[in-house]
Amino acid sequence: EDQVTQSPEALRLQEGESSSLNCSYTVSGLRGLFWYRQDPGKGPEFLFTLYSAGEEKEKERLKATLTKKESFLHITAPKPEDSATYLCAVQPEETSGSRLTFGEGTQLTVNP
Amino acid sequence: GAVVSQHPSWVICKSGTSVKIECRSLDFQATTMFWYRQFPKQSLMLMATSNEGSKATYEQGVEKDKFLINHASLTLSTLTVTSAHPEDSSFYICSARDGVQGAKNIQYFGAGTRLSVL
Repeated sequence: EDQVTQSPEALRLQEGESSSLNCSYTVSGLRGLFWYRQDPGKGPEFLFTLYSAGEEKEKERLKATLTKKESFLHITAPKPEDSATYLCAVQPEETSGSRLTFGEGTQLTVNP
Repeated sequence: GAVVSQHPSWVICKSGTSVKIECRSLDFQATTMFWYRQFPKQSLMLMATSNEGSKATYEQGVEKDKFLINHASLTLSTLTVTSAHPEDSSFYICSARDGVQGAKNIQYFGAGTRLSVL
């Protein structure tokens, strides 16, 4: 069974305090790993997709990395507007129709 | 690009009535659309996968007669909650996969619909 575990469940940072979110996964074969941002009462917003170990993607203050067992979302010098829940999802190779398995998310709060 | 519109954003209905939620891909053709349900403080749970022109595939434990899904065109899928009861109250979110960009398999999400059944 495919599993996705995100840690920590919640993270509080001061503005400018860099940190990382973790996404550990177990799948029979990975087609892709996806990071989304979700604000309260809204649908997830696509951030990154990673397909192979060693791959990295960057967008503004965010950088996602991937190994064979986990992915990290690094947040550099965060701002209050980065506060949100960050969701990680995996798409196994065997899946049909591109279905995703989501983790429980990390709720990030950045204080000014 | 890759905008998914979901309507309505919030609906309140009486127990026993039916509610229809629409999901539209505005700037791409979506061969596959997905419907999720999300409870407070929890992650997204896939309810069903719908492919344009064919019957939806429901996840285990999801009643297909209660949650009717129609994907009649490449830009529109609808979810109808039939004979809604208070336990159906939840946040429903749709997503769509860009058929042209299919190799990337990215799902783009709508803003969600908050359903409250009285």
